[in-house]
Amino acid sequence: AQSVTQLDSQVPVFEEAPVELRCNYSSSVSVYLFWYVQYPNQGLQLLLKYLSGSTLVKGINGFEAEFNKSQTSFHLRKPSVHISDTAEYFCAVSMGTSGSRLTFGEGTQLTVNP
Amino acid sequence: DTAVSQTPKYLVTQMGNDKSIKCEQNLGHDTMYWYKQDSKKFLKIMFSYNNKELIINETVPNRFSPKSPDKAHLNLHINSLELGDSAVYFCASSQGAGLPRFFGEGSRLTVL
Repeated sequence: AQSVTQLDSQVPVFEEAPVELRCNYSSSVSVYLFWYVQYPNQGLQLLLKYLSGSTLVKGINGFEAEFNKSQTSFHLRKPSVHISDTAEYFCAVSMGTSGSRLTFGEGTQLTVNP
Repeated sequence: DTAVSQTPKYLVTQMGNDKSIKCEQNLGHDTMYWYKQDSKKFLKIMFSYNNKELIINETVPNRFSPKSPDKAHLNLHINSLELGDSAVYFCASSQGAGLPRFFGEGSRLTVL
């Protein structure tokens, strides 16, 4: 079985500050990792994904995440956030590259204040 | 324009009724999905269609029947609703039978 834990339910930050949203996973087999974003009044949208290769992956809107196998983590980072980054962010894990075994975490609400 | 739209957004009904949730995507994607979100916010896949053909059918009661009239639509019909069916159902789409890229806003079903 696989599971995902997002360590912070809410992260408030000021505009232009760096941010890190934490995600840990557990699985008995190799997994693939993803981050989705949900802007207010919209559905989820894929932000970035780790399937293989470089452990540092870059996504849309300046976000990046680093896969750390030894720590079973996949934290999301952005060096300087904007007001428009205010959204809920979901970490997800899958045993395959398809969406058949996709397990999401509970989400982290990022609020960027002026 | 909304990429993936679901209707209705809220649905309250009695046990034993039959209901449908509709989903439409205007992205030109060829693959659509239905996910169920339980109270802990975990999304679990139920079905996936690629080019109108069923490619994923998880362990879901046969009271749930997906229907894809064309690539842009994937509807979910539920017969004989039970209390445990109460949840938020998400539709999603992608190009290619892989990872869902865009999700709808969800449809909250409450069975009384």
